[in-house]
Amino acid sequence: SAVISQKPSRDICQRGTSLTIQCQVDSQVTMMFWYRQQPGQSLTLIATANQGSEATYESGFVIDKFPISRPNLTFSTLTVSNMSPEDSSIYLCSALTAVNTEAFFGQGTRLTVV
Amino acid sequence: QKEVEQDPGPLSVPEGAIVSLNCTYSNSAFQYFMWYRQYSRKGPELLMYTYSSGNKEDGRFTAQVDKSSKYISLFIRDSQPSDSATYLCAMKDSGGSNYKLTFGKGTLLTVNP
Repeated sequence: SAVISQKPSRDICQRGTSLTIQCQVDSQVTMMFWYRQQPGQSLTLIATANQGSEATYESGFVIDKFPISRPNLTFSTLTVSNMSPEDSSIYLCSALTAVNTEAFFGQGTRLTVV
Repeated sequence: QKEVEQDPGPLSVPEGAIVSLNCTYSNSAFQYFMWYRQYSRKGPELLMYTYSSGNKEDGRFTAQVDKSSKYISLFIRDSQPSDSATYLCAMKDSGGSNYKLTFGKGTLLTVNP
């Protein structure tokens, strides 16, 4: 298993600003991901964070809005840029220790944009 | 039709009841099936992880997969107030993108003492 720590756990931000969320895993993992969880909606994969290269984004998500870094095997950041109230959501970091194993999640970052 | 359908509830049961949570799906390529529990203001935690069809039991929890019907279930026996949470089903295929999870919307369960 893996323990995933995210920070901040919550934040209230002004529209037009950016927020960077950090994700730290306590062991080396194969893959890291960022999800969004909006009220009443399914968890939606934003992107796969690739170590040392550009993230792989899912349909509907773009790098300019959600830049992602993964400088090593245990750490990743997600930035929510030029925020609007529609970005208010829970953002979750997830990791796989190996392919075809279960995914673990951080506790999430609850973002409110005002 | 969404890939994964899950009744959002809410579901309210008395302590000690047997709880049945269900998901249906449309993608026949799904091979791995998971149930996550998510407490309020927490991240999802894995409860059950199964491959293909069949049953899997872990304590008070039993996961069932019926691939012919594209239907999965989670049963909770002797439910406790501490089981009150949102339960998310998730699934993935075994192909090249087999790391991608597709989630249901979650079912909110309340177990009343």
